[in-house]
Order: sequence, then C-alpha cells, then structure tokens
Amino acid sequence: LAKTTQPISMDSYEGQEVNITCSHNNIATNDYITWYQQFPSQGPRFIIQGYKTKVTNEVASLFIPADRKSSTLSLPRVSLSDTAVYYCLVGETTSGTYKYIFGTGTRLKVLA
Amino acid sequence: GAVVSQHPSWVICKSGTSVKIECRSLDFQATTMFWYRQFPKQSLMLMATSNEGSKATYEQGVEKDKFLINHASLTLSTLTVTSAHPEDSSFYICSAPKREGYTFGSGTRLTVV
Repeated sequence: LAKTTQPISMDSYEGQEVNITCSHNNIATNDYITWYQQFPSQGPRFIIQGYKTKVTNEVASLFIPADRKSSTLSLPRVSLSDTAVYYCLVGETTSGTYKYIFGTGTRLKVLA
Repeated sequence: GAVVSQHPSWVICKSGTSVKIECRSLDFQATTMFWYRQFPKQSLMLMATSNEGSKATYEQGVEKDKFLINHASLTLSTLTVTSAHPEDSSFYICSAPKREGYTFGSGTRLTVV
C-alpha cells in the first residue's frame, strides 16, 4: 500500500514563504486534495482544498500538477503561530477499496 | 458552521474499564462519522467509519469488539473503548464530511493506567 508521504519536518523564519509537498500516487480520479493544520492535542483544522491547478484562499495556496500525484501547500508569510504539523488528506483507491488517507505529516517550526 | 463537538477532551481510566467518547454535530446532520487514532508524533490513522443507522466499517487490524461504534442518530456518534489497556492510550479524533473537506472534533486524549 503506497503511503501518502510528506517531508518529516521543516524549519523556516518568520516572514518567509514555506512550501510543503505531499506525494499521493494512488489518489482517486475524482477526489479532492485537502490540507490540514494540527496543533498539539487538538483536532486538525482545515486550511485549503483543491482538485487541480491552483487554488488560493486568505491563508494559503495549493498547487496541483496535471497528473495530481502530488500537491504543494504554500504558506506565503509564516509567523511563529504557524508552527504546527501539516497534513494532506486524499482519497485513494487501492485494491478496489476506497478510503481517505492522511499524509505522514510535516512538522513545521517557525523561528524568530 | 459545520462544528463537531467531541467529549471528553481527556480521560484517565484504569486498565480493564470501558470509556465512551462522544462526537456531536452541532449545526448539521452527520450521516457519516470517521474515527481516527493518533499516537504521539504520528499521523492520524483511520479506525472505522460509522454511518447513521447501520453497522460501522472497521479498518484492517482494528478490533470491532474492542472499539464499539454507535451512530444511532444524525447528530451523535460514539466510540466505546472496552476493557481498555495501556496500549490503547492514544489521541482519538472524530470527523464528519462537510461541504468543503471535513470538520474534526477537538480530540480525546485517553490514558489507561
């Protein structure tokens, strides 16, 4: 079962742009890609969702190539409060079974 | 909108006892509820999917007799950890589909001593 993979961790400085990539080789044809932010001992919080090309909202952008086998979450100007774990969530069809799979998570640390 | 309220936030129980976790959809009807388990510094792992009025679907390796899921109404799904043991200590989270993505409960940290 191919995992939905992300870099384990990233460090950044305040004010910088951060790009986090998720690899999802088994993404289902008709499914969206969703990104979440999670702080310790809290449930994940929705950041952005997209199907293809580029999506932008007030907090982030999401870039999805044509083959949809990966996606990149872009946080434009991070602050200390963006220190958290970021997960992608995709629907995958494996061996005829459809299920939602969280990525392995990327622990972002924003430094002053 | 689309808020899921999860209770309790944390619970400590003795080994061998049972613990019930509740997730309520406050302003929408949740026909489906997903239950996840998350160990420290790991990703969320789907345990089971509950559908209102029918039996839950469990992921491979999850004991359905140990993790009892009930979804008797469109606004309430419960997870009962029966005969809990220390290895069941984890962070349990529920989520329900909404118009865009999914809304998650705040999680329950279960510690079995």
